[in-house]
Amino acid sequence: EAQVTQNPRYLITVTGKKLTVTCSQNMNHEYMSWYRQDPGLGLRQIYYSMNVEVTDKGDVPEGYKVSRKEKRNFPLILESPSPNQTSLYFCASSLGNGGAEAFFGQGTRLTVV
Amino acid sequence: TQLLEQSPQFLSIQEGENLTVYCNSSSVFSSLQWYRQEPGEGPVLLVTVVTGGEVKKLKRLTFQFGDARKDSSLHITAAQPGDTGLYLCAGAVEYGNKLVFGAGTILRVKS
Repeated sequence: EAQVTQNPRYLITVTGKKLTVTCSQNMNHEYMSWYRQDPGLGLRQIYYSMNVEVTDKGDVPEGYKVSRKEKRNFPLILESPSPNQTSLYFCASSLGNGGAEAFFGQGTRLTVV
Repeated sequence: TQLLEQSPQFLSIQEGENLTVYCNSSSVFSSLQWYRQEPGEGPVLLVTVVTGGEVKKLKRLTFQFGDARKDSSLHITAAQPGDTGLYLCAGAVEYGNKLVFGAGTILRVKS
């Protein structure tokens, strides 16, 4: 089954404790991206990657890092999480460029206390 | 300020009623997509419109792309409780290389 898999689905952590949210897709898509979803603000892009070893900042990259060592994986790293990073996070992949249909994971609800 | 303004933000209607959700911008988009998101899930694509003035139908859902490719609408006829969810529009910008999303419309259809 074609899918984007994120882990974990839920995470509660404390301020400053590094964490990684994993994302994997099995559709051989070149383009992958991370979004955060907050009430009233919709989905905002954090980082994106157009292919292996190619990553770039989205609209809200502060406090986040990503890597793209393999085509299928695109982890999101929070080196020192803060409460304002409490949000619902989605990983997505697309065939071709970022304007094509986006396939989303099921989301990771992160709470930073 | 959102690049894409969606309205209304919330909509609560009775089963069988019709409704329209709007997505407006001052920017031109190379294409526009509509997604539906259910609680606990990621958004799922409903339709992509590409040509100005284009109309697409998906069962009881009708999608329209404005002539100038700056706005779009989603019309649902005879809404059902199964239509309940968050509806998101997304426009492709930067020569089609990036999607920007509206804030979404939360639809609740009561039986």
